[in-house]
Amino acid sequence: NAGVTQTPKFQVLKTGQSMTLQCAQDMNHEYMSWYRQDPGMGLRLIHYSVGAGITDQGEVPNGYNVSRSTTEDFPLRLLSAAPSQTSVYFCASSYGGYYGYTFGSGTRLTVV
Amino acid sequence: AQSVTQLDSQVPVFEEAPVELRCNYSSSVSVYLFWYVQYPNQGLQLLLKYLSGSTLVESINGFEAEFNKSQTSFHLRKPSVHISDTAEYFCAVSDPGKAAGNKLTFGGGTRVLVKP
Repeated sequence: NAGVTQTPKFQVLKTGQSMTLQCAQDMNHEYMSWYRQDPGMGLRLIHYSVGAGITDQGEVPNGYNVSRSTTEDFPLRLLSAAPSQTSVYFCASSYGGYYGYTFGSGTRLTVV
Repeated sequence: AQSVTQLDSQVPVFEEAPVELRCNYSSSVSVYLFWYVQYPNQGLQLLLKYLSGSTLVESINGFEAEFNKSQTSFHLRKPSVHISDTAEYFCAVSDPGKAAGNKLTFGGGTRVLVKP
């Protein structure tokens, strides 16, 4: 049972480039979320999904897109990378609020 | 909107001493409360949670947290810390509504450094 798998673990982008951060879970969780972690700011919600085909914006959605075509996958797309998007990104999934979320190991992104 | 405040950004503590990490939240609805731990260069792991019932909840590695509704607090304590408890700890609240995706709102985190 792999849990939540994020790829890549590290990435360096140039300003203006686009890329997709991958997230997959094998626990049949209905809920999935993307967070970014910045020093002193905790984790902030970017986008979330309550099931296949259903997504919504979180606290800091600008510059990011998501889609959820399957229960298992929830990719995060950076449309045109900016230095302000340098951060550690975490994907998480859950059966529901009672259970809390299971987190992936993160993607460390640097935009130069 | 929900918000979570962790009152200490860093807590240095000697090994075998007690530690308390403070967490206050604001919400107009009932919430679920969580503590997560992040060891260096790792993802977050669920430490413990409060959903309802007894206001004191415990984890398997000796941490406990107490829910105080009147003070809207959920402080985390451990009576005797080990070097291996060095980590960052995050308090979080969850909106239990399905439409909200059970979203987690996190505090800013508290770094615990256990000194020998």
